[in-house]
Amino acid sequence: AQSVAQPEDQVNVAEGNPLTVKCTYSVSGNPYLFWYVQYPNRGLQFLLKYITGDNLVKGSYGFEAEFNKSQTSFHLKKPSALVSDSALYFCAVVPQGHDKIIFGKGTRLHILP
Amino acid sequence: NAGVTQTPKFQVLKTGQSMTLQCAQDMNHEYMSWYRQDPGMGLRLIHYSVGAGITDQGEVPNGYNVSRSTTEDFPLRLLSAAPSQTSVYFCASSYPGGQGGVPYEQYFGPGTRLTVT
Repeated sequence: AQSVAQPEDQVNVAEGNPLTVKCTYSVSGNPYLFWYVQYPNRGLQFLLKYITGDNLVKGSYGFEAEFNKSQTSFHLKKPSALVSDSALYFCAVVPQGHDKIIFGKGTRLHILP
Repeated sequence: NAGVTQTPKFQVLKTGQSMTLQCAQDMNHEYMSWYRQDPGMGLRLIHYSVGAGITDQGEVPNGYNVSRSTTEDFPLRLLSAAPSQTSVYFCASSYPGGQGGVPYEQYFGPGTRLTVT
């Protein structure tokens, strides 16, 4: 079965430190990959996507993600965390040849002042 | 642009009642979808549509119906509400960026919080 895994339910990072939120996937072919963020009591907002090309993609609010085909991963990163980055982050995948989007279960990011 | 709008924001139903959650978008997006969000379960796809007149089932379609008569609107109907349908429901839309209507990034509505007693 095709799936997306976010292995950490919660990640705690001190403000100013680099952060990583992990995502791995198990789908066929070359997928489309996405990251979304959800602030409390809000809908999801798109952060960035990988479709093709450069493995390092940059997105909103200083976030970036690296596509690693051999490890089937698409980890979200930011060089210096802000308290305002505290939110719920979702990884999502569209498998090649499909039109359904598969979401991970989400990772809650806490940035400690 | 208003983006993706959802009504109502909150709803309480009794078991067995039916209702329709409304979703509309003004971005001329072909692709629309409905998700439910439950604690620890992430987002699960209920139904989706790649264009007017075309709908398909997602991961958890049972107990829900959809129709897509226009590009703008994609209502979700609960036929006979059950406590297991207590959840937050999100509608989303996107333009199809790939072959066969594969969606690119989605734009989400603010959500409807539904409680079934």
